[in-house]
Amino acid sequence: DAKTTQPNSMESNEEEPVHLPCNHSTISGTDYIHWYRQLPSQGPEYVIHGLTSNVNNRMASLAIAEDRKSSTLILHRATLRDAAVYYCILLSGSARQLTFGSGTQLTVLP
Amino acid sequence: DTAVSQTPKYLVTQMGNDKSIKCEQNLGHDTMYWYKQDSKKFLKIMFSYNNKELIINETVPNRFSPKSPDKAHLNLHINSLELGDSAVYFCASSRGVEGWAYEQYFGPGTRLTVT
Repeated sequence: DAKTTQPNSMESNEEEPVHLPCNHSTISGTDYIHWYRQLPSQGPEYVIHGLTSNVNNRMASLAIAEDRKSSTLILHRATLRDAAVYYCILLSGSARQLTFGSGTQLTVLP
Repeated sequence: DTAVSQTPKYLVTQMGNDKSIKCEQNLGHDTMYWYKQDSKKFLKIMFSYNNKELIINETVPNRFSPKSPDKAHLNLHINSLELGDSAVYFCASSRGVEGWAYEQYFGPGTRLTVT
């Protein structure tokens, strides 16, 4: 019942930018787009979130399509510590059946 | 200073038992959550709770019940444990009663094994 679609895996070279895509074609007007990442044996870690406008923080940037049906998480310079599973999820007050999707396993090559 | 903590980290128990997992957050957040991550790594929300409203994922069996003694704590009680309950359970919190508008902070997880 996940409402987002992400590639299963991606690779990046260290110190290069990474663009992680997410499709959410059934997004509603009240859904916030959240990104989290999870390292093995750890709890998910917040990365970034937004509603309509592009967002930047110290970890990443979030580019949201004009129709909001897709978004892209941008890591400007990948490091080995960025290797994790990245989850794109939609959150709103009606999130009564929220499931994170399978996420994208990001591998960062030295 | 741990922001969201859970105890125990590991819990091994037999079918039919009743167990609890505790969660505490020291962030002053208004909304807390419980998630279940199964063996395929899918992470599913079970409950979200603030001082006004408990939102229950309708797929969660009523053997699971959250209990909040105060704003900083949201414990998870599980009755009549079944093999399928084996998973990692994560507690999380966020500020605001509209928790979905804010970032969530997760605990380290509790690995529950039912034998």
